[in-house]
Amino acid sequence: GAGVSQSPSNKVTEKGKDVELRCDPISGHTALYWYRQSLGQGLEFLIYFQGNSAPDKSGLPSDRFSAERTGGSVSTLTIQRTQQEDSAVYLCASSPRERQGAGYTFGSGTRLTVV
Amino acid sequence: ELKVEQNPLFLSMQEGKNYTIYCNYSTTSDRLYWYRQDPGKSLESLFVLLSNGAVKQEGRLMASLDTKARLSTLHITAAVHDLSATYFCAGSPISGYQLIWGAGTKLIIKP
Repeated sequence: GAGVSQSPSNKVTEKGKDVELRCDPISGHTALYWYRQSLGQGLEFLIYFQGNSAPDKSGLPSDRFSAERTGGSVSTLTIQRTQQEDSAVYLCASSPRERQGAGYTFGSGTRLTVV
Repeated sequence: ELKVEQNPLFLSMQEGKNYTIYCNYSTTSDRLYWYRQDPGKSLESLFVLLSNGAVKQEGRLMASLDTKARLSTLHITAAVHDLSATYFCAGSPISGYQLIWGAGTKLIIKP
């Protein structure tokens, strides 16, 4: 597609349920990032994928969070046993390769609300 | 560890005025990014600054980078209402691939 596509755009879930957030990066982009943005805050790094290399998971806040990237393209971020503090906008970004000088393209985000 | 600080965090100004947003970073970074975010929207890339002394301009926005001072600025000239948004700067550590983000500057331009 022309841009980074994320789904769903909004998700309301009950505390304790699992959720899956999807990111479809720009075709050909090998680098993919997940960030989290809480209300009125900056962006918090979660996880980074680059090609077939092992992902950098150092930003995941707990073991309830996991992510995978299938075939070097679509990525899914899974949050198990959601908590209210997980409520945030989850943003995905891709770039042609790491340290791409042209910058990163962000998706529109998934707004997650845990009630 | 790279840290990025923006100031001010909030700025309300009148149309037609000039102002500057500052982005300080704590350790060596070889690239500095500026992004714009409208309410409820995603982030739009504005500028990528790759070298000391780099200056880029787009319309009423101009960004510069001073790697010796570890400072980037985003200057707004003759502000118009359409520039109201939150502006983020982000730095990339040398040999790293993460972007380390400032907290953002919420800019409100009053007609």
